[in-house]
Amino acid sequence: GAVVSQHPSWVICKSGTSVKIECRSLDFQATTMFWYRQFPKQSLMLMATSNEGSKATYEQGVEKDKFLINHASLTLSTLTVTSAHPEDSSFYICSARDYSGQYTNYGYTFGSGTRLTVV
Amino acid sequence: GESVGLHLPTLSVQEGDNSIINCAYSNSASDYFIWYKQESGKGPQFIIDIRSNMDKRQGQRVTVLLNKTVKHLSLQIAATQPGDSAVYFCAEKAAGNKLTFGGGTRVLVKP
Repeated sequence: GAVVSQHPSWVICKSGTSVKIECRSLDFQATTMFWYRQFPKQSLMLMATSNEGSKATYEQGVEKDKFLINHASLTLSTLTVTSAHPEDSSFYICSARDYSGQYTNYGYTFGSGTRLTVV
Repeated sequence: GESVGLHLPTLSVQEGDNSIINCAYSNSASDYFIWYKQESGKGPQFIIDIRSNMDKRQGQRVTVLLNKTVKHLSLQIAATQPGDSAVYFCAEKAAGNKLTFGGGTRVLVKP
């Protein structure tokens, strides 16, 4: 089946620094990728939709200058948390959509997530 | 935004019994629904999906029921096993590509 690789799986950074998270589709091309944030004991909240070759579309309330998204190729999207603060500590998850139709679940495949801790 | 202090509802079930997890969705225009399983520290794992033109779909040990009249989705797990212990989320897709997730239910399987 479709595989999405997310890296790193966890990261600890100092307040004020920036952190980059990568999301790769390994065996399919993903024109669209999604970034979610999940706080403990809560559901996944969509942050933004990343489209290859164009600007990301951010959900209401998500600061685009703080959460920079780049989708430069059909297999890679990156999320950069800039000037991170402790309140940015969360579990970040990406999802990639395969439009080829070869997979049954409409093509939504999730990465394994990145645990970000800002100290 | 996120809800502060939200606690996931928990379903405790005896090993071997059937589990039923419910989900109320919000958008009557949603045309596709998915159930995901999430284990601690991992990303969501696809379980089963259903399109809005169906009311029931079965997989291996799992069944999804869709009631569009009351905007309700359920997941039935037959003969629940310890490995089924996890948090389960429903997700809906309306126009466009975005998936919106429900609040989640924690399933705890007792031996």
